[in-house]
Amino acid sequence: TQLLEQSPQFLSIQEGENLTVYCNSSSVFSSLQWYRQEPGEGPVLLVTVVTGGEVKKLKRLTFQFGDARKDSSLHITAAQPGDTGLYLCAGADYKLSFGAGTTVTVRA
Amino acid sequence: EAQVTQNPRYLITVTGKKLTVTCSQNMNHEYMSWYRQDPGLGLRQIYYSMNVEVTDKGDVPEGYKVSRKEKRNFPLILESPSPNQTSLYFCASSYSGDTEAFFGQGTRLTVV
Repeated sequence: TQLLEQSPQFLSIQEGENLTVYCNSSSVFSSLQWYRQEPGEGPVLLVTVVTGGEVKKLKRLTFQFGDARKDSSLHITAAQPGDTGLYLCAGADYKLSFGAGTTVTVRA
Repeated sequence: EAQVTQNPRYLITVTGKKLTVTCSQNMNHEYMSWYRQDPGLGLRQIYYSMNVEVTDKGDVPEGYKVSRKEKRNFPLILESPSPNQTSLYFCASSYSGDTEAFFGQGTRLTVV
């Protein structure tokens, strides 16, 4: 059983559209990290959210941490082909617990 | 350049033939870990190390061994590989267990 559930599992959209990826858990985490993994590479950290209700923006990417620190979302505005990849969330307590990931494909 | 280096990148082996996957980091991190990544299951931690000579089991340790004799190196050992260990393996290092993890490029292992 996955500690962190990500949805959807797959997402395919046209360039210019918006998308949202969700990360949900029944556990409370001290922080939550989002990673992006491209084919043939290891995951790379995008952002860490720490405070319940926190919103962080990274250019066209907006990350939100739920008030109860159990869930998070990643919203991409006007997606581009370069956003294609596997997006992973990871909850942090004494270690990182990863979700299964959402594979995002942005078609030109 | 800060990096985690894994070798080899690809490995095909036969059941029962011992193998070692090496991992080295140049960031002076104390915490290192090994993960396996399987479709639909995400990254699952195999073993971790909080410092030299300190290692502990992660979520899926069966069939694996590790050692941490030096701070920079954390090899993963499969003493008798089986087909269910066919997977994509990642080594990662970090300041501590809950901080940003820096990953290697992965080792794709196939056991036939």
